[in-house]
Amino acid sequence: NAGVMQNPRHLVRRRGQEARLRCSPMKGHSHVYWYRQLPEEGLKFMVYLQKENIIDESGMPKERFSAEFPKEGPSILRIQQVVRGDSAAYFCASSPPGFSGGETQYFGPGTRLLVL
Amino acid sequence: GESVGLHLPTLSVQEGDNSIINCAYSNSASDYFIWYKQESGKGPQFIIDIRSNMDKRQGQRVTVLLNKTVKHLSLQIAATQPGDSAVYFCAENHNFNKFYFGSGTKLNVKP
Repeated sequence: NAGVMQNPRHLVRRRGQEARLRCSPMKGHSHVYWYRQLPEEGLKFMVYLQKENIIDESGMPKERFSAEFPKEGPSILRIQQVVRGDSAAYFCASSPPGFSGGETQYFGPGTRLLVL
Repeated sequence: GESVGLHLPTLSVQEGDNSIINCAYSNSASDYFIWYKQESGKGPQFIIDIRSNMDKRQGQRVTVLLNKTVKHLSLQIAATQPGDSAVYFCAENHNFNKFYFGSGTKLNVKP
């Protein structure tokens, strides 16, 4: 059973470009969470999605950031017109329906975004 | 928003010694806490959790203590091994769909 997969693992963009980060949850998991981690800091919650629904986006910047989790395919975190401050590691986590504890939430390896 | 912070940014211990990592949280409504281990270049890995109706929980070589009175959480690692070297985060949760992470403590285990 493959774990949570994220790609790309590393992404370099120039200011003003778009970044697309993908997350494939574990098999059987229908809940996806995105977090951002700046160097030497903890993870900051961004958004929580279920299939075709955004449940909680209270941690998402109001502009330039969007997320989706379509019926088919991976979850996508999209950052438009990237700026240097977007440089960070972006982690995805997934969990099965009916949250039962942290041991059922698995994190992917992250995508490290560098904006030049 | 919630605030979860750690007292010590870096902790160095000798192999075989016990380690204690501390965490303070600010949201008294939080009812569920997790300790994560993050190795370099990897995502966080669940270690142990505790619910607010408990004050202690033990796992394999790890123990989590919760003091709700002072809003303090600690992780104790017994007989620390080189493989325990990582950054440790506490995280709090009160609605089961997102976690608030502290800033992390780096644990260095000296052989």
